Amino acid sequence: GQQVMQIPQYQHVQEGEDFTTYCNSSTTLSNIQWYKQRPGGHPVFLIQLVKSGEVKKQKRLTFQFGEAKKNSSLHITATQTTDVGTYFCAGRDAGGTSYGKLTFGQGTILTVHP
Amino acid sequence: DAGVIQSPRHEVTEMGQEVTLRCKPISGHNSLFWYRQTMMRGLELLIYFNNNVPIDDSGMPEDRFSAKMPNASFSTLKIQPSEPRDSAVYFCASSLGTQGRTEAFFGQGTRLTVV
Repeated sequence: GQQVMQIPQYQHVQEGEDFTTYCNSSTTLSNIQWYKQRPGGHPVFLIQLVKSGEVKKQKRLTFQFGEAKKNSSLHITATQTTDVGTYFCAGRDAGGTSYGKLTFGQGTILTVHP
Repeated sequence: DAGVIQSPRHEVTEMGQEVTLRCKPISGHNSLFWYRQTMMRGLELLIYFNNNVPIDDSGMPEDRFSAKMPNASFSTLKIQPSEPRDSAVYFCASSLGTQGRTEAFFGQGTRLTVV
């Protein structure tokens, strides 16, 4: 079945440093979504990418979808303590009968030291 | 809209007991997901429904787990009998399940502890 791998598992940065997490799917995706989960909270939707090679920005966050629609990345510029949390990618399989099934990566836990 | 509502928020039970987790999705959403989250295994999809019909239950760990969606506004996840290794946070999520904006909205989760 579809697998979504995410690296790194953990990332510790000093406030002001940049941060990047990478996501790779074993199958071609119809779209990819990114979520953030604060400690003790639940995953909250950040953004969805649909087109091959798509790049979207939200303030200090930059999201990319690969040309083959099998990988994605999230880059945070100049991290702040409010960026702390776990960042998940989640992919929807482009083929088969599993349309609608949302498979999450393992997540990257980001800690930011002030 | 109150969002996805899960109950209970916390559940502590003894091994061997039956546990039922409940979920009310956002009105109008036609896809519902049950996820389990642990430190070791991350966020695992257990089962998902589309229009109240189970589409994929390949993530359900074993026969002790069962899920139902009798109508568009209610779903349950049952574990019987429960075991200590079932201890985790269980999330329910719902989405519109159509092309376009298909993001999942998560409930607050149920933290299950089996002792």
